[in-house]
Amino acid sequence: AQKVTQAQTEISVVEKEDVTLDCVYETRDTTYYLFWYKQPPSGELVFLIRRNSFDEQNEISGRYSWNFQKSTSSFNFTITASQVVDSAVYFCALSETGGQNFVFGPGTRLSVLP
Amino acid sequence: NAGVTQTPKFRILKIGQSMTLQCTQDMNHNYMYWYRQDPGMGLKLIYYSVGAGITDKGEVPNGYNVSRSTTEDFPLRLELAAPSQTSVYFCASSYPGYGGRTDEQFFGPGTRLTVL
Repeated sequence: AQKVTQAQTEISVVEKEDVTLDCVYETRDTTYYLFWYKQPPSGELVFLIRRNSFDEQNEISGRYSWNFQKSTSSFNFTITASQVVDSAVYFCALSETGGQNFVFGPGTRLSVLP
Repeated sequence: NAGVTQTPKFRILKIGQSMTLQCTQDMNHNYMYWYRQDPGMGLKLIYYSVGAGITDKGEVPNGYNVSRSTTEDFPLRLELAAPSQTSVYFCASSYPGYGGRTDEQFFGPGTRLTVL
């Protein structure tokens, strides 16, 4: 069975600090997909990134970067120079081949203080 | 494109009442999903559909029913509402997984349901 763990329930940082959100996953499939979503206080879910299991390249998008390591089954998310607008709940998710069953982690609530 | 739309935005039900949560997408996505999000928690999959006429249970299907008669619509039916069904309900859709590929899900704005 697939499972996603986000051990950090809540994180608080001061604006301009860097912060890393951890995501550890379990799956028996060799082909799978990992996602990060952001849920701001307004409640909607915003897609941030998708990564497939064959692509271990790290990715950078502006202040966001993702570190995917199959050896440790982790897909961590780093925000550089955090801003107050980054305050949200961040979810990591896993889908095995076919996309028929997404499993979400419990989320990490990030608070960025001015 | 409106994306994924859900109605109503808010609803209060009494124990034992029934209701249907509506979900429509205009992106021609084959895959559609229903999730619930309890306060302070992650999302749990209730039901999903890979195309019109095909539905399957997710992690927490008890107390719910779905149907998929068209590509666009995926209503969720609550029969005999219970306080444990108080939650925010999200509908989502995605492209089909060609060759096993999984695309990201697009989410609706959610329906906040309270059962008293």
